[in-house]
Amino acid sequence: KNEVEQSPQNLTAQEGEFITINCSYSVGISALHWLQQHPGGGIVSLFMLSSGKKKHGRLIATINIQEKHSSLHITASHPRDSAVYICAVRLGSGTYKYIFGTGTRLKVLA
Amino acid sequence: NAGVTQTPKFRILKIGQSMTLQCTQDMNHNYMYWYRQDPGMGLKLIYYSVGAGITDKGEVPNGYNVSRSTTEDFPLRLELAAPSQTSVYFCASHLPQGRQKDGYTFGSGTRLTVV
Repeated sequence: KNEVEQSPQNLTAQEGEFITINCSYSVGISALHWLQQHPGGGIVSLFMLSSGKKKHGRLIATINIQEKHSSLHITASHPRDSAVYICAVRLGSGTYKYIFGTGTRLKVLA
Repeated sequence: NAGVTQTPKFRILKIGQSMTLQCTQDMNHNYMYWYRQDPGMGLKLIYYSVGAGITDKGEVPNGYNVSRSTTEDFPLRLELAAPSQTSVYFCASHLPQGRQKDGYTFGSGTRLTVV
């Protein structure tokens, strides 16, 4: 079993739909990152969370430390949101070692 | 700021050849990383550095070497290329933990094929 699991692996949505991508982890962490990888391959950091919730535009990320779970929500999805979304956890405080999920491939249809 | 710059973007190597993947950042980030991304797999850490002159192995360091003579540059060296090193390589950087509010900055990647 992977230490960081994402679900679903693949997701197709219609433009305008509300999207949720989940990340569960089984290790102690000091922070969790959500990354976006575009079809061309570039990776962009969306959020870094250690507790609670963050919002940026149409993107919302939440984390529940007790349940070892995080969600990334996209409101009013758009075809330009089509990408692979990657969850990564930083192991413990004072370390810079990360474990990455295998990603959720999102396709938003017009 | 240019962010994290990786060169080259693409490269084909023959088995046994050597090459250096270049990574430069202009954000004065202390922490720099090299990852490889294989199809269907999460990013795997090859090497990382917490500052000039300090490097350490990650999960998959065999077949690679790094150096960090300056804050800006973190080149990755492949000495004897093998087909198992065919992958996409990403360089990334960030500020120290207490100042890392914006997470990582990644380079655009290097797609390497070893034939």
